[in-house]
Amino acid sequence: EAQVTQNPRYLITVTGKKLTVTCSQNMNHEYMSWYRQDPGLGLRQIYYSMNVEVTDKGDVPEGYKVSRKEKRNFPLILESPSPNQTSLYFCASSLGKYNEQFFGPGTRLTVL
Amino acid sequence: QKEVEQNSGPLSVPEGAIASLNCTYSDRVSQSFFWYRQYSGKSPELIMSIYSNGDKEDGRFTAQLNKASQYVSLLIRDSQPSDSATYLCAVDSWNDMRFGAGTRLTVKP
Repeated sequence: EAQVTQNPRYLITVTGKKLTVTCSQNMNHEYMSWYRQDPGLGLRQIYYSMNVEVTDKGDVPEGYKVSRKEKRNFPLILESPSPNQTSLYFCASSLGKYNEQFFGPGTRLTVL
Repeated sequence: QKEVEQNSGPLSVPEGAIASLNCTYSDRVSQSFFWYRQYSGKSPELIMSIYSNGDKEDGRFTAQLNKASQYVSLLIRDSQPSDSATYLCAVDSWNDMRFGAGTRLTVKP
């Protein structure tokens, strides 16, 4: 089944404790993105990747890191999480930037 | 700042009516436009994509694009209660993708 997977689905952590949210797609897509979704603000792009080893900042990159060492994986790293990073996070992938994006199930992160 | 604007709603229509959802965008170089549907607690899923001016129809859904006015809309004909969801407009902007905040639609039986 073609899909985007994210783990974990739910995470409660404390300020400053490094965490990684994994994202994997099995559709051989080149373009992958991370978004956060907050009430009233919609989906905001954090980082995107056009291909392996090619990443760039989206709209709200501060406090986040990503890497794209393999085509299928695009982990999101929070080196020192803060409460304002409490949000619902989605990973997405597509053939290219002009194509339909397929979203993962979401990761609900709470930073205390 | 490149923006995508949508009326937040909520938009309420009776079952069987036409629901009209609107979106404006600020980046004149945008080439691709998408409507996603998001049910509460779920991830967004694509409803329609449109790339050129005019109308594009798919079943009960019609997307309309006017690049000169920087406006894209989604019409849902014969609205059903199962159409009740938040509808997100997305527009490409250089290399990133911008989403509107979404319009919440409620279809009342």
